[in-house]
Amino acid sequence: AQSVAQPEDQVNVAEGNPLTVKCTYSVSGNPYLFWYVQYPNRGLQFLLKYITGDNLVKGSYGFEAEFNKSQTSFHLKKPSALVSDSALYFCAVRVPATDSWGKLQFGAGTQVVVTP
Amino acid sequence: DTEVTQTPKHLVMGMTNKKSLKCEQHMGHRAMYWYKQKAKKPPELMFVYSYEKLSINESVPSRFSPECPNSSLLNLHLHALQPEDSALYLCASSHFGQATKETQYFGPGTRLLVL
Repeated sequence: AQSVAQPEDQVNVAEGNPLTVKCTYSVSGNPYLFWYVQYPNRGLQFLLKYITGDNLVKGSYGFEAEFNKSQTSFHLKKPSALVSDSALYFCAVRVPATDSWGKLQFGAGTQVVVTP
Repeated sequence: DTEVTQTPKHLVMGMTNKKSLKCEQHMGHRAMYWYKQKAKKPPELMFVYSYEKLSINESVPSRFSPECPNSSLLNLHLHALQPEDSALYLCASSHFGQATKETQYFGPGTRLLVL
């Protein structure tokens, strides 16, 4: 069975400091990995994805993520956090070899709080 | 343009009402999805349509009835809902059949309150 873990319910960081949101996965097969962000009372916004190739993926709003196959991780990072980055972040995985319908398995979510 | 629109933004309905949620995209995506999301929780998949045909029903109660009248539109018909159905309902769309392009783009959601 596929699973995605976001081990931290909440991450607190001061504005200007580096931000990391952790994600680990357990799947059978090669995963496609995604990060989404959700601001209050809004839908999910796509940030970035890893399909294949370079392990370092750059996305929207200065975010990046590194795919680490040996550690089965896909942590989201931003070098310098902004107060406006405060939101709920979701990691998601899909395994095309076992799913033909585009089903995403989401992590539980991590609330990011950036203080001025 | 990666916009998915949803109407209405908010909906309040009684348990005997019939209402519909609407979702629209013009990105040429042939897969469309309905999700239910409770506060601070991840979205839960309800239905998947591919090429206007229902491909997945995640054991959703029959009081929720999806419809895909064309490749750009997705509806969710609601009837005799329960208070526990109150949630944010999200629509998403993606390309289908090209795994590397199958990023799901989400609409802003409809916040539903069942009284």
